[in-house]
Amino acid sequence: GAVVSQHPSWVICKSGTSVKIECRSLDFQATTMFWYRQFPKQSLMLMATSNEGSKATYEQGVEKDKFLINHASLTLSTLTVTSAHPEDSSFYICSAGAAGRSPLHFGNGTRLTVT
Amino acid sequence: ILNVEQSPQSLHVQEGDSTNFTCSFPSSNFYALHWYRWETAKSPEALFVMTLNGDEKKKGRISATLNTKEGYSYLYIKGSQPEDSATYLCAFMNYGGSQGNLIFGKGTKLSVKP
Repeated sequence: GAVVSQHPSWVICKSGTSVKIECRSLDFQATTMFWYRQFPKQSLMLMATSNEGSKATYEQGVEKDKFLINHASLTLSTLTVTSAHPEDSSFYICSAGAAGRSPLHFGNGTRLTVT
Repeated sequence: ILNVEQSPQSLHVQEGDSTNFTCSFPSSNFYALHWYRWETAKSPEALFVMTLNGDEKKKGRISATLNTKEGYSYLYIKGSQPEDSATYLCAFMNYGGSQGNLIFGKGTKLSVKP
């Protein structure tokens, strides 16, 4: 149980275009999902917390207008990287769960390359 | 700035060897410590969530201990197998941290040679 599906696994896009990444909880409802980013040889860093039916909460230094998060249902959160630039090239991974004293359930991640 | 350190960065062992690695975290305002196993091309899989000082948890050949007063956790693998090859992540959360804001270490990459 507690499977999270993330799509696509990898994407290459041109600078200036937008890319949408989907995160779905397949066998449970997730009122909260989390989006992380990982640069090479660095640790996973929380970008934002996605809340079903309300606005996402962004971590300091993460531009909310650049990384649009939508959590329209209890099983789907999307992250859209708008007007992508090469410096946005990174590994993006979502997770669902209560966190804190409960384990997180992660998607497989998305490798984004912006050319 | 809260920091989580994991050591070693990478580890190469032979099948059958037992091994252990360390996760160091701030000792103040401790709330929870997570361990995840992350195999290549798969999603991170939760191993343990530890909350109490002195906690010891076990899952098959893998076990973990927790010392919140000195700020460290050890992960042990007994009789390593090739399928144990993965990156092992620890993540720390303190009181007052926003939900989901686990502070992750960079991981320890374990390679087990048959």
